[in-house]
Amino acid sequence: NAGVTQTPKFQVLKTGQSMTLQCAQDMNHEYMSWYRQDPGMGLRLIHYSVGAGITDQGEVPNGYNVSRSTTEDFPLRLLSAAPSQTSVYFCASSKSRAWLSNQPQHFGDGTRLSIL
Amino acid sequence: GQNIDQPTEMTATEGAIVQINCTYQTSGFNGLFWYQQHAGEAPTFLSYNVLDGLEEKGRFSSFLSRSKGYSYLLLKELQMKDSASYLCAVTEDGSGNTPLVFGKGTRLSVIA
Repeated sequence: NAGVTQTPKFQVLKTGQSMTLQCAQDMNHEYMSWYRQDPGMGLRLIHYSVGAGITDQGEVPNGYNVSRSTTEDFPLRLLSAAPSQTSVYFCASSKSRAWLSNQPQHFGDGTRLSIL
Repeated sequence: GQNIDQPTEMTATEGAIVQINCTYQTSGFNGLFWYQQHAGEAPTFLSYNVLDGLEEKGRFSSFLSRSKGYSYLLLKELQMKDSASYLCAVTEDGSGNTPLVFGKGTRLSVIA
């Protein structure tokens, strides 16, 4: 019963470094998304995917890249880390597009990222 | 565009009832979710409303008025474990680039 698995759980980077946050789900979910959560800001959508090979930008996409080569995996790449990207990152998946159905999103446990 | 408002913080007593409100302004509204998030953990699904009225699930109920752009989450017989943030999220019609929009959340503290 893995659900949505995110790795790593914690990471500290230096400004300018790049890294990939991993997200995998084993529920054969079509829709996957990445959020960042900052104090007082709530969850903000970075990128999302409605299926393998299809990605789109959310509310705050700058500085992040994604790809969806398989149904299971949806990695988030930070190209050149900046202190403003210090945040908690959540990956989520749902059976179908959230805006067309009542399918809830299942969230991973999050990655706590600090950029020095 | 989207705008979702929730109170930032609320405090209630163990055993009591609390109502957490959510107002929204969106285009192409399709439905509204409520999620619970304990400190340091991931959000978990509580309820979904698409039609006007009340949906009841045990101690938790959620109400929606589409014409008023208003929802509330009602928690009965409060327990200490209900201390958490409660997030309201609205789904749009997918024409924009943010199909699911979350409010900033309401942090509920349950006290003895």
